[in-house]
Amino acid sequence: LAKTTQPISMDSYEGQEVNITCSHNNIATNDYITWYQQFPSQGPRFIIQGYKTKVTNEVASLFIPADRKSSTLSLPRVSLSDTAVYYCLVGEGQNFVFGPGTRLSVLP
Amino acid sequence: EAQVTQNPRYLITVTGKKLTVTCSQNMNHEYMSWYRQDPGLGLRQIYYSMNVEVTDKGDVPEGYKVSRKEKRNFPLILESPSPNQTSLYFCASSSTWASGSGEQYFGPGTRLTVT
Repeated sequence: LAKTTQPISMDSYEGQEVNITCSHNNIATNDYITWYQQFPSQGPRFIIQGYKTKVTNEVASLFIPADRKSSTLSLPRVSLSDTAVYYCLVGEGQNFVFGPGTRLSVLP
Repeated sequence: EAQVTQNPRYLITVTGKKLTVTCSQNMNHEYMSWYRQDPGLGLRQIYYSMNVEVTDKGDVPEGYKVSRKEKRNFPLILESPSPNQTSLYFCASSSTWASGSGEQYFGPGTRLTVT
């Protein structure tokens, strides 16, 4: 099973760009990389998904190097409302494995 | 509105009293899944289903049962709940799952307390 490693926590200030890196050394050739956001007592919410290079949507960017052994979620100009836990998921087919995630705290 | 619904949202019960948590999605998704979330342990998958009548165990299936008789519904059954099943439960659905692709839509959660 592909295992992911993320920082347990990060702090940032409002207006800054935040980059959260996820390591997934055992990623399989066909695996996708997906990031979710979770607020306390709510279900996770899909942020972005990618396979290689760079993916951008209205809320985030996902950078994936050529070897695909890591990925970086980039949140531009964070606000207080971005304080949440961010999960990186890799492949696993139908058996999704969430790691402990990264607890992001955005400070005023 | 596309959504996953769960009922009940909160439940307090006693050890050994059978209970069912319902999950329903209105997006015609083939894939559905149940997770439990406990402090310090993150989200752990209990069971998943790739289509009607097709279910399989996740990482923590002990003490749980599921069924998928209709595409939209995926109930979670605890036949003899125990205190260690006190947790926050989430149901999710997705149109695809191959190689981890697809976006999972999560329900609002069910907070279960077993005394």
